[in-house]
Amino acid sequence: DIHLTQSPSFLSASVGDRVTITCRSSQGISNYLAWYQQKPGKAPNLLIYAASVLESGVPSRFSGSGSGTDFTLTISSLQPEDFATYFCQQLTAYPSRPVTFGQGTRLDIK
Amino acid sequence: QVQLVQSGAEVKKPGASVRLSCQASGYTFINHYIHWVRQAPGQGLEWLGIINPNGGDTTYAQKFQDRVIMTRDTSTSTVHMELTSLRSDDTAVYYCARAGQWQVLYHWGQGALVTVSS
Repeated sequence: DIHLTQSPSFLSASVGDRVTITCRSSQGISNYLAWYQQKPGKAPNLLIYAASVLESGVPSRFSGSGSGTDFTLTISSLQPEDFATYFCQQLTAYPSRPVTFGQGTRLDIK
Repeated sequence: QVQLVQSGAEVKKPGASVRLSCQASGYTFINHYIHWVRQAPGQGLEWLGIINPNGGDTTYAQKFQDRVIMTRDTSTSTVHMELTSLRSDDTAVYYCARAGQWQVLYHWGQGALVTVSS
């Protein structure tokens, strides 16, 4: 199975900062990657799919990039509501294949 | 709008089974796969498996292959997930999620806490 490793696992930042989270795949996955945001006590919420496509309604300060094995999620100017945990997910064109998630990156207020 | 409404919290003893439900609305039920994902307290997301509501085909994570059963009821647009031989480390919030193309998880249920304790 493909393994996804996120870095860092924890990140402290201030409102207005630019932050970048990385997701590395153990195998090349083209652009088959999604990013989710999760707030305490809530279900994850889709931010980005196909590595760089912003989901409808997601603020433009969020962006994604990458292809193959290395991917990044960038928040250009942190807002108070962005402090949350972020997960990457490997996508697949084949529903019979396992789905994997990164271990998560917790973003806290400095 | 798309909604996935899950059944409520459960408390089970080790060795027991739990059956969770996920009722879909706001779209054509058979047109989208449903995934089950769990999250232990303070931990990350763990995939349990997927069911195709159109026909009922399933694929399970290898780790749960012997303990999980996913079914669907098209008359009520509901997917069920049963996990057997529960252990304390099965304590988690269990989510169902509706997939789109490439298994992007666009919509999630509210989650159901399963607590396994003697």
